[in-house]
Amino acid sequence: GAVVSQHPSWVICKSGTSVKIECRSLDFQATTMFWYRQFPKQSLMLMATSNEGSKATYEQGVEKDKFLINHASLTLSTLTVTSAHPEDSSFYICSASRGGTGFQETQYFGPGTRLLVL
Amino acid sequence: AQTVTQSQPEMSVQEAETVTLSCTYDTSESDYYLFWYKQPPSRQMILVIRQEAYKQQNATENRFSVNFQKAAKSFSLKISDSQLGDAAMYFCAYFSNTGNQFYFGTGTSLTVIP
Repeated sequence: GAVVSQHPSWVICKSGTSVKIECRSLDFQATTMFWYRQFPKQSLMLMATSNEGSKATYEQGVEKDKFLINHASLTLSTLTVTSAHPEDSSFYICSASRGGTGFQETQYFGPGTRLLVL
Repeated sequence: AQTVTQSQPEMSVQEAETVTLSCTYDTSESDYYLFWYKQPPSRQMILVIRQEAYKQQNATENRFSVNFQKAAKSFSLKISDSQLGDAAMYFCAYFSNTGNQFYFGTGTSLTVIP
């Protein structure tokens, strides 16, 4: 149990377009979902925390108008990279926790989405 | 500010041998959690082990165990009887209940030599 999927697994887009990444908890209800960004050979950087039905909490330095997060249901959160630019190219990873709203709960990670902006 | 430091960018171990990955952290909090995550070549992050700071007993999960030294702010991971499937990036992570902040370390790339 506790499977998290992401779609798409990779995407290539032109500069200026918007890209939506979906994160789904397949066999459990996720009270909280997290979005991370990982650059090549680097660690994960937390971008934002989203709770179902409420606005996402963004980490310092992350542009909320650039990275739109919607947690519409207990099994789905979406990250939209608006007006993507080459510097947005990265590996985006989501995770979900079964219960509670903090990181003390075990996070289950999705397989990641590789974004390349040309 | 809380930070998580992994001083070993790369480590290698002979198959069936034991290896220890180090992690230190900086915090002024008393209520926090520590984690070790594994990221294999597939990039899928997997929780290896977690430790609550208030627990004195070191966490263990089969071949994986930690040496949690709270006073020294050290949280090392020991992998016993290393297997080829253990080859991955290992990230140490810290979470504070008080600040609701979550940090990953920079990672240690583990190679298992057949």
